[in-house]
Amino acid sequence: QKEVEQNSGPLSVPEGAIASLNCTYSDRGSQSFFWYRQYSGKSPELIMSIYSNGDKEDGRFTAQLNKASQYVSLLIRDSQPSDSATYLCAIDNYGQNFVFGPGTRLSVLP
Amino acid sequence: GAGVSQSPSNKVTEKGKDVELRCDPISGHTALYWYRQSLGQGLEFLIYFQGNSAPDKSGLPSDRFSAERTGGSVSTLTIQRTQQEDSAVYLCASSFFQLAGGYNEQFFGPGTRLTVL
Repeated sequence: QKEVEQNSGPLSVPEGAIASLNCTYSDRGSQSFFWYRQYSGKSPELIMSIYSNGDKEDGRFTAQLNKASQYVSLLIRDSQPSDSATYLCAIDNYGQNFVFGPGTRLSVLP
Repeated sequence: GAGVSQSPSNKVTEKGKDVELRCDPISGHTALYWYRQSLGQGLEFLIYFQGNSAPDKSGLPSDRFSAERTGGSVSTLTIQRTQQEDSAVYLCASSFFQLAGGYNEQFFGPGTRLTVL
């Protein structure tokens, strides 16, 4: 059984700070890694995908992947109150049992 | 372009009744997933379709739950003899993923909120 772990939070950061969200996983065969954002009462929205070790940047978001250590992280620079949401980490192994983590609740304080 | 759509958006039913939930994936997406999310909880995988076939049904909670997909497009999730513990938001997602390869970026519909009284 593949496992994906995240700190449930809430993670509170002041507006303008960097928010750092972490995710660890158990299946070394995992190939694809995703970050989703879910606002309360809404469905998950894909914000980042990463497939190779290293960093991938998209605007204020940076995803970091380290397959040797089996973790993937999401950094949000210049955090805004509108970033307050639950962030879900997801992993995939060529479609074999796509797994979501439990999510980390982020609160950005004005 | 149209995203994933689901209907109905809300469904209230009485215990013991059957319900059907519908998902229209993004045009051309080969893979379709159903998830369930109870209030304040994470996503619970139910079933995955590749085309019209379901390689993974491992998440269906009981034999009261079934799903089908026709024409490689629309999918229906059926819950028979609903119970109060079935109350949740049922989410559908689709992707371009194929067993021969490709990345599994899933895009979600708005969900169907099911309430069993």
